[in-house]
Amino acid sequence: EPEVTQTPSHQVTQMGQEVILRCVPISNHLYFYWYRQILGQKVEFLVSFYNNEISEKSEIFDDQFSVERPDGSNFTLKIRSTKLEDSAMYFCASRKQGTLAKNIQYFGAGTRLSVL
Amino acid sequence: KQEVTQIPAALSVPEGENLVLNCSFTDSAIYNLQWFRQDPGKGLTSLLLIQSSQREQTSGRLNASLDKSSGRSTLYIAASQPGDSATYLCAVNTGTASKLTFGTGTRLQVTL
Repeated sequence: EPEVTQTPSHQVTQMGQEVILRCVPISNHLYFYWYRQILGQKVEFLVSFYNNEISEKSEIFDDQFSVERPDGSNFTLKIRSTKLEDSAMYFCASRKQGTLAKNIQYFGAGTRLSVL
Repeated sequence: KQEVTQIPAALSVPEGENLVLNCSFTDSAIYNLQWFRQDPGKGLTSLLLIQSSQREQTSGRLNASLDKSSGRSTLYIAASQPGDSATYLCAVNTGTASKLTFGTGTRLQVTL
């Protein structure tokens, strides 16, 4: 069964460093998402991406964050200068084109980001 | 702003019991509602999607209901098993970008 793949599974970085989290969505999907979950808290929406542009972003997704689809298969989340509070599990999700009501979002296993 | 609440926060039941998890949301303008399972430190596995026009959806021992007008959904698990132990999340799908807004989850433990 097709799945969303995320790498790395765990990323440790120093505060102030740039990190890139990588995702390979399901191949025929056209809508892509990033969510994050701080330990013990809710899963929160960060950004949605369609047709090579951001379609919606949350208040969390400030100028330190960016997303890119550099080729036909990868979808990346970049954090320019990491802060301690960016430590969280980051989930990528994708869904296919079609009726909004019927479309399941499929999630990857996540990347745990630890900022020291 | 959409708010999603799940009760109870935690639940422990003996194996074989039937159980109900509750989810409520404040804005009824949703496209669908998804129930997910999350094992500790792991990703999210989609269990059921129930469209806004539907009242019920079933998959195996799981049955989800939706009452959009009152902003409520339930997930019924029949004949619970220890392997069902996990956190169950509900999420509502809103907006043209169809972002998901999640609840805080119900942590379920099924004991032998």
